[in-house]
Amino acid sequence: DGGITQSPKYLFRKEGQNVTLSCEQNLNHDAMYWYRQDPGQGLRLIYYSQIVNDFQKGDIAEGYSVSREKKESFPLTVTSAQKNPTAFYLCASSIGARSQGYTFGSGTRLTVV
Amino acid sequence: ILNVEQSPQSLHVQEGDSTNFTCSFPSSNFYALHWYRWETAKSPEALFVMTLNGDEKKKGRISATLNTKEGYSYLYIKGSQPEDSATYLCAFKSSGAGSYQLTFGKGTKLSVIP
Repeated sequence: DGGITQSPKYLFRKEGQNVTLSCEQNLNHDAMYWYRQDPGQGLRLIYYSQIVNDFQKGDIAEGYSVSREKKESFPLTVTSAQKNPTAFYLCASSIGARSQGYTFGSGTRLTVV
Repeated sequence: ILNVEQSPQSLHVQEGDSTNFTCSFPSSNFYALHWYRWETAKSPEALFVMTLNGDEKKKGRISATLNTKEGYSYLYIKGSQPEDSATYLCAFKSSGAGSYQLTFGKGTKLSVIP
């Protein structure tokens, strides 16, 4: 079955450490996205990528980095510069950047301890 | 940053009741309006993508309408069932700057009581 796989489901990180969240899709979608969810807030866009080897900052990119070396993969690194990294992270993909409908992964909950 | 508002924030309905909720979005530079259903412990699932003023879309007991001139969309659920319990998200896509981004509302959390 085609879909998006995010791993791990739960992640604990010590303060000051970088951590990378995985997002893989086998839908042959061109565009991929990373969103963050905090309690009482809507999903906020961190980074997005329209094609391989290209990505753009979203509304809350500070303290995060991404890469898009393969069409299937769009990993997100939460760096030590991110002041409040504890959150739920969702990855999504779509056929094109302006296309209809996103497919979402099941998310990674990151907790800084 | 674009403002997308959803109301109510949450509601409880009895099984069999019909219900509706609202999504408000900017009325300028409209490109598309998305609705998603997000059940607990699952991934958000696309319900509708609406692009034309006056659009009405239906999927089973769920339907949605769109008014781009005044900037709102309604989601209706007829004869609510316990399996309809979820958070319903709307998201706005602009045709202007940032047109590759979806801006999400905070969602409406629906609980259907058996």
